[in-house]
Amino acid sequence: GAVVSQHPSWVICKSGTSVKIECRSLDFQATTMFWYRQFPKQSLMLMATSNEGSKATYEQGVEKDKFLINHASLTLSTLTVTSAHPEDSSFYICSARDRGQVHGYTFGSGTRLTVV
Amino acid sequence: QKEVEQDPGPLSVPEGAIVSLNCTYSNSAFQYFMWYRQYSRKGPELLMYTYSSGNKEDGRFTAQVDKSSKYISLFIRDSQPSDSATYLCAPGGVSGGYQKVTFGTGTKLQVIP
Repeated sequence: GAVVSQHPSWVICKSGTSVKIECRSLDFQATTMFWYRQFPKQSLMLMATSNEGSKATYEQGVEKDKFLINHASLTLSTLTVTSAHPEDSSFYICSARDRGQVHGYTFGSGTRLTVV
Repeated sequence: QKEVEQDPGPLSVPEGAIVSLNCTYSNSAFQYFMWYRQYSRKGPELLMYTYSSGNKEDGRFTAQVDKSSKYISLFIRDSQPSDSATYLCAPGGVSGGYQKVTFGTGTKLQVIP
């Protein structure tokens, strides 16, 4: 089945630094990948839609200059949290849809970001 | 009003019980309906999807959709401790020209041996 690999699984960084999270589709090509953020006991909130070779589409209220998304190839999308602050601490998850799947999205294993 | 409403639980049941997990939604444009299971500190995994009213069965799991009342359910028969996880309903459809999925908050389920 479709597999999405996400790295790192967890990261602790100092306030003011930047953190890059990678999301790779291992056995399929993903023209579109999605980035979510999940706070404890809350739902997955879509942050942005990453399109291969073009600019990402951000959801309302998400700062595109703070959350930089790059989708340089059909199998790789990256999310960079710039100038991280403690309130950015959250669980970040990417997902992608294999064209062979009618519906249903494959999720990465998530990245637990803690900003201290 | 949220597009998708789901009771966060937690729901605690004894092993072997029948579990009923429910969601309501408000957007009539939703065309397909998915259930995801998420273990602690892991990404969600797709359990089932359906795109019509009625029931769809897969092993111990049954997904039910009632589009007229905008109500979706997931039933788990003979629940096992390994079913302990958070279950998210996720209706989806076309929004702004592309496919978009909206997640419920998730219901935390604990199956006690």
